[in-house]
Amino acid sequence: KQEVTQIPAALSVPEGENLVLNCSFTDSAIYNLQWFRQDPGKGLTSLLLIQSSQREQTSGRLNASLDKSSGRSTLYIAASQPGDSATYLCAVRPNFGNEKLTFGTGTRLTIIP
Amino acid sequence: NAGVTQTPKFQVLKTGQSMTLQCAQDMNHEYMSWYRQDPGMGLRLIHYSVGAGITDQGEVPNGYNVSRSTTEDFPLRLLSAAPSQTSVYFCASSYGRVGTEAFFGQGTRLTVV
Repeated sequence: KQEVTQIPAALSVPEGENLVLNCSFTDSAIYNLQWFRQDPGKGLTSLLLIQSSQREQTSGRLNASLDKSSGRSTLYIAASQPGDSATYLCAVRPNFGNEKLTFGTGTRLTIIP
Repeated sequence: NAGVTQTPKFQVLKTGQSMTLQCAQDMNHEYMSWYRQDPGMGLRLIHYSVGAGITDQGEVPNGYNVSRSTTEDFPLRLLSAAPSQTSVYFCASSYGRVGTEAFFGQGTRLTVV
């Protein structure tokens, strides 16, 4: 059974710093991995989708990397801003039965002005 | 762009009552699914559908029913509400077998008293 872990559960950093969020998964037979952002009381907003054949994806100040063989993904946020404060979730889609996403429990990020 | 629309946003039920959570998408997506989000447990898959007329169980299906009569709609029915079903419910959709990006609705916060 796929298990997805995100450590740490919470992170606080001063504004302007670069930071890395971690996501690890136990079964490397994934089709893709998706990073989401969730604001309090809101839905999930897709940030980046990285296919199993890709090593990284970039969108603005965000960069996601994937090392499938080691079961790890990172989300790099450059020049953090208070508006980046949210919970960040990663989810993996398996090779088979790929309608099912398995989620981590998220990292709650606070950017201190 | 509507995307994935869930109604209602909030609901309070008494134990034993039934209700239907609505989900509609306007992106012509094949895959639709329902997740529940509970503190410390992440999002867990309840039921999913790979197309009109086809549904299957996810990780936590007990107490819930679904049907998919059209591509656009995927309602979730609570048969006899229990306090353990107090949660935030999210509907998601994506294109089918290519395993592309998943889009989520804004969620329904359900309290069963």
